[in-house]
Amino acid sequence: DTGVSQDPRHKITKRGQNVTFRCDPISEHNRLYWYRQTLGQGPEFLTYFQNEAQLEKSRLLSDRFSAERPKGSFSTLEIQRTEQGDSAMYLCASSLGMGQGGGTEAFFGQGTRLTVV
Amino acid sequence: AQSVSQHNHHVILSEAASLELGCNYSYGGTVNLFWYVQYPGQHLQLLLKYFSGDPLVKGIKGFEAEFIKSKFSFNLRKPSVQWSDTAEYFCAVNTYSSASKIIFGSGTRLSIRP
Repeated sequence: DTGVSQDPRHKITKRGQNVTFRCDPISEHNRLYWYRQTLGQGPEFLTYFQNEAQLEKSRLLSDRFSAERPKGSFSTLEIQRTEQGDSAMYLCASSLGMGQGGGTEAFFGQGTRLTVV
Repeated sequence: AQSVSQHNHHVILSEAASLELGCNYSYGGTVNLFWYVQYPGQHLQLLLKYFSGDPLVKGIKGFEAEFIKSKFSFNLRKPSVQWSDTAEYFCAVNTYSSASKIIFGSGTRLSIRP
C-alpha cells in the first residue's frame, strides 16, 4: 500500500501523559498536513509542512502541540501533558505542491484515534 | 481568512432521489475546490476537484459539482442517489498560492433510505 500511513491507529493515554504520532506520506509528496477531527465536525487544520519547513500552525493549537518533519519525509505530532479535550481523531494528509499555485489534492491516512482518560 | 460553509448538516433521502449539497467559501482570490467523502469507518477520499477550466466538474460514482465564482459556491449534485452513498461529505478549499493550507467545511451527513 503506497498511501498515507499513520501509526498508531488507536492510542489510549492517561491525562497528563505525552503522546507522539507518526505519519508517513506518499513518497513523492512534498506537502504534509495535520488535522484534528471530532465527531460530527470537519477536519480542523492544525499545521502543515512543505518539505521540512513548517509553513503554518493554527492559532488554535496550544503550545502543548508540536510537529516535526525533520528530513522532509515522515512527520511526528507530539502532544504534551494531554487533556481530555485532546481526545479526537488526528489525521495526516499529503499532497504534491508544484510551485506557485499548483498542486494536487490531499490524500488522507486512516488517522490516529486518541482517547485521553 | 478563508472559510467554508456547508448549509446542510444532515440530509435524508430515499433511493433514486436527486441530491444537491450546498457549499460556499469566503475568499476573494483564485481558489482550488474539493469535495471529499467519508464512508462509515473509512478515511477521507476525494470525490472531485476543481482547479481551473470548465466550472462543471465530474467526479467518481456519478457525482458532479458546479463552481459559480460570482456566488462563491461549489455545490455537489447527483441525479439519483443509492443506499451506498450514505456517508459524510466535506467541501474544502485552498487558495491559489504557493503556500496554502486546505480548509474544510463542517460536513453534511447524508443518509439514504433503502
